[in-house]
Amino acid sequence: QKEVEQNSGPLSVPEGAIASLNCTYSDRGSQSFFWYRQYSGKSPELIMSIYSNGDKEDGRFTAQLNKASQYVSLLIRDSQPSDSATYLCAVNEAGRRALTFGSGTRLQVQP
Amino acid sequence: ETGVTQTPRHLVMGMTNKKSLKCEQHLGHNAMYWYKQSAKKPLELMFVYSLEERVENNSVPSRFSPECPNSSHLFLHLHTLQPEDSALYLCASSQEAVNEKLFFGSGTQLSVL
Repeated sequence: QKEVEQNSGPLSVPEGAIASLNCTYSDRGSQSFFWYRQYSGKSPELIMSIYSNGDKEDGRFTAQLNKASQYVSLLIRDSQPSDSATYLCAVNEAGRRALTFGSGTRLQVQP
Repeated sequence: ETGVTQTPRHLVMGMTNKKSLKCEQHLGHNAMYWYKQSAKKPLELMFVYSLEERVENNSVPSRFSPECPNSSHLFLHLHTLQPEDSALYLCASSQEAVNEKLFFGSGTQLSVL
C-alpha cells in the first residue's frame, strides 16, 4: 500500500533554533510534494510546495526533496512559538486525483 | 480566510438522523474534495469532484452521499451514521483535480451519538 510516513513527534525545539521535519513516501511516481501547517482546532494551510530535487526557500522555510531516496523535508529557521503546530506532508501519487497525506509531526517551539 | 467556506462548524447527531454538510468555494476552482480527519490518523480522501463530475470515490460507505450541483458548491449528505464516523470533515478545492495545491475550509467537527 502506498504511504506517506512522518514521525508523529512531538518535536521540541527552543525558540530561535532550526526545526527539521521529515517525510518519506513510497510511490516512486510521485511528482508533487507539499507541506501544510495545521494549528490545533484549525484546518490545514499550505506553506510550501516543491516539485524538483534540491532545496526551495521561502522566508524562514526551506523544503528539500530527494526523489532517489523518496524523502522530503521541511526546515524552519529561527523557530518561533507561533510555529508550534502539526505539519502535514502531502504527496501526489500516480493515478490519483488528490493528494495523500501523512499523519503529521507535531512541533513545539519552547520560548 | 482561504476562500472556502464550510457550514456548520460543529454538528452533533444521533445515529438515526439525516444531516448535510455544505461547502462553498469563492476561488473559481474546478475541483472540490471531501476529506475526513480522525485523531492520530492521516487525512483520508473521501470524494473528488472535477467540473461537477465525481472522479474519485475512495471506498466510502454509502451512508455518506456527496452532491456537487456546480463547481462552487459541494455537499455531503449524512444518514444512519455510526459513532466511529465522528471526526473533522474538511472540504477543499483546487484549480484542477491533478494533484495541485489544496485550499481547505474550516471543517465541520461531527459527533455521532
